[in-house]
Amino acid sequence: EIVMTQSPATLSVSPGERATFSCRASQSVSSNLAWYQQKPGQAPRLLIYGASTRATGIPARFSGSGSGTEFTLTISSLQSEDFGVYYCQQYNSWPPITFGQGTRLEIK
Amino acid sequence: QVQLVESGGGVVQPGRSLRLSCAASGFTFSLYSMHWVRQAPGKGLEWVAIISYDGSSKYYGDSVKGRFTVSRDNSKNTLYLQMNSLRAEDTAVYYCARPEGANRGYYYPHFDYWGQGTLVTVSS
Repeated sequence: EIVMTQSPATLSVSPGERATFSCRASQSVSSNLAWYQQKPGQAPRLLIYGASTRATGIPARFSGSGSGTEFTLTISSLQSEDFGVYYCQQYNSWPPITFGQGTRLEIK
Repeated sequence: QVQLVESGGGVVQPGRSLRLSCAASGFTFSLYSMHWVRQAPGKGLEWVAIISYDGSSKYYGDSVKGRFTVSRDNSKNTLYLQMNSLRAEDTAVYYCARPEGANRGYYYPHFDYWGQGTLVTVSS
């Protein structure tokens, strides 16, 4: 099983600033990595797939990078509505499909 | 528009069974593999199961293998999760999720549509 590890556990960023999330895989997942945003009481929302491709309707301020075992999600200029928990997910080697434990984004 | 609507959750005693349903609409259900993903209260996401578009292939997470069974009825556009021998640690919101892409989505599953989830509570 591929273990996905996210850091930090919590991120506190002011509006207009950059937010950077990290995700590390226990073995290479190539570029088969997705990012999701989840707000309280809601289902996750797909942001990025293929490590760097934005999903339909996702604003350009969201970007993803990396390959192999190290990945980054960046929000270039934080908006107040970007709060929530962010998860990475690998789909290179399954079953099982595995998720990171999540990073909580707080707006300062 | 794509819609996934789960139902069947509730409170159940340990050791008992429950069946969840996920009604799909707005896309050709019979072309897509489908997944169940769960989330324990205050915890992260855990993948539960996948079923191929025609039901011929099924895979499960280790924590539910041998106790849960995924199935589908393409004539009713509905996905199911039969949960037996339930344990307290199965308490979670259960989501059905559709992978992006019909063919490619089976091999490279990331999820562009999710249901709203249904809460299963296992407690005596």
